[in-house]
Amino acid sequence: DGGITQSPKYLFRKEGQNVTLSCEQNLNHDAMYWYRQDPGQGLRLIYYSQIVNDFQKGDIAEGYSVSREKKESFPLTVTSAQKNPTAFYLCASSIGPGAGTDTQYFGPGTRLTVL
Amino acid sequence: AQSVSQHNHHVILSEAASLELGCNYSYGGTVNLFWYVQYPGQHLQLLLKYFSGDPLVKGIKGFEAEFIKSKFSFNLRKPSVQWSDTAEYFCAVNARNAGNMLTFGGGTRLMVKP
Repeated sequence: DGGITQSPKYLFRKEGQNVTLSCEQNLNHDAMYWYRQDPGQGLRLIYYSQIVNDFQKGDIAEGYSVSREKKESFPLTVTSAQKNPTAFYLCASSIGPGAGTDTQYFGPGTRLTVL
Repeated sequence: AQSVSQHNHHVILSEAASLELGCNYSYGGTVNLFWYVQYPGQHLQLLLKYFSGDPLVKGIKGFEAEFIKSKFSFNLRKPSVQWSDTAEYFCAVNARNAGNMLTFGGGTRLMVKP
């Protein structure tokens, strides 16, 4: 069964703690993305990776970090430096660079609540 | 930088009513255009997309969208909505020279009353 999985579905953390959100895909896609969704603001790009061992900052990267050691995995760490971390986090993947007609496919999301 | 505007934040319709959700973008170059839908409790799904060719694009579940280049618009339409269309709808734009980066609108929350 192909697709994108994100875990956990709900995550609660205390203020000041780092937390890592998981994203795995078995679509053999080169590109992966992390978005943050807040009510009324749509999705905003945090980080993206076009290929293994490479990633770039998106529009709101401050307070977040990522790694891309494997093609199928793109974990996102929400650090204590992120001022307003409570949000719904979405991971996506696409075939990759050079595909001018590329389409992104999304995982089910992780809802992070910082207490 | 490109931006996407969805002017209707909340829309309430009765079943069988017609739907049109507005989407405007600001970018002068060539674009790819998308509508995604997020049903309650489900993940974001692709509804339809436009890359080139016929500006009237048909998607899943009876939805369609028309790309009007002169108006920088890509409005979503459905002739007769159903209760099951209750969801949040997002318009997204990708500038051809921006790689695969998508810029999303703020979303429109549609409620269809049975």
